[in-house]
Amino acid sequence: DTGVSQDPRHKITKRGQNVTFRCDPISEHNRLYWYRQTLGQGPEFLTYFQNEAQLEKSRLLSDRFSAERPKGSFSTLEIQRTEQGDSAMYLCASSLSGRRGAGELFFGEGSRLTVL
Amino acid sequence: GESVGLHLPTLSVQEGDNSIINCAYSNSASDYFIWYKQESGKGPQFIIDIRSNMDKRQGQRVTVLLNKTVKHLSLQIAATQPGDSAVYFCAENPQAAGNKLTFGGGTRVLVKP
Repeated sequence: DTGVSQDPRHKITKRGQNVTFRCDPISEHNRLYWYRQTLGQGPEFLTYFQNEAQLEKSRLLSDRFSAERPKGSFSTLEIQRTEQGDSAMYLCASSLSGRRGAGELFFGEGSRLTVL
Repeated sequence: GESVGLHLPTLSVQEGDNSIINCAYSNSASDYFIWYKQESGKGPQFIIDIRSNMDKRQGQRVTVLLNKTVKHLSLQIAATQPGDSAVYFCAENPQAAGNKLTFGGGTRVLVKP
């Protein structure tokens, strides 16, 4: 399978714990995005990398959230001191740069977080 | 039954009929639009896209129409099949937003056999 893969698919944690999600994009894609999706809503942009550079962060990304893409390949999204409001599906997507603008984003299956 | 908080508009359509899903966007500077399909428990899947220099684009069984005057986007699915049952999202890429997409609220399509 050469699509975007995310791990873990499901994570249940207690409030206050830290969690980390991993995303492996399509190998030739240099752009990588993190989105958050709550039940019944469309995905909301969190952050975006071009190669290893984090180029944009949403105001939704509080200081408890951090994302890295150290070698320009896989990325991690860490949430520290989780709160119940962090419960959501965390989606990763990748794309190829080239044309101006986002282009087609290829999404992974998501990592569902439940904070008890 | 549906979970509390799940207030998606729902379109029920008979198998074999055509479906039309509508989307209003607010940013007149958007110049690129995509329709995504999301099945339960899965990530969004690309269906079709259109740039603002076009008003219509056709794919396999799907057509996207763009009306920039009223900032309206629609997705038409011909001969709807049970496998088309999913939530459909439109997404826009405003020029000033750089390289990210902004998603709308979604429409659930239920195909009745």
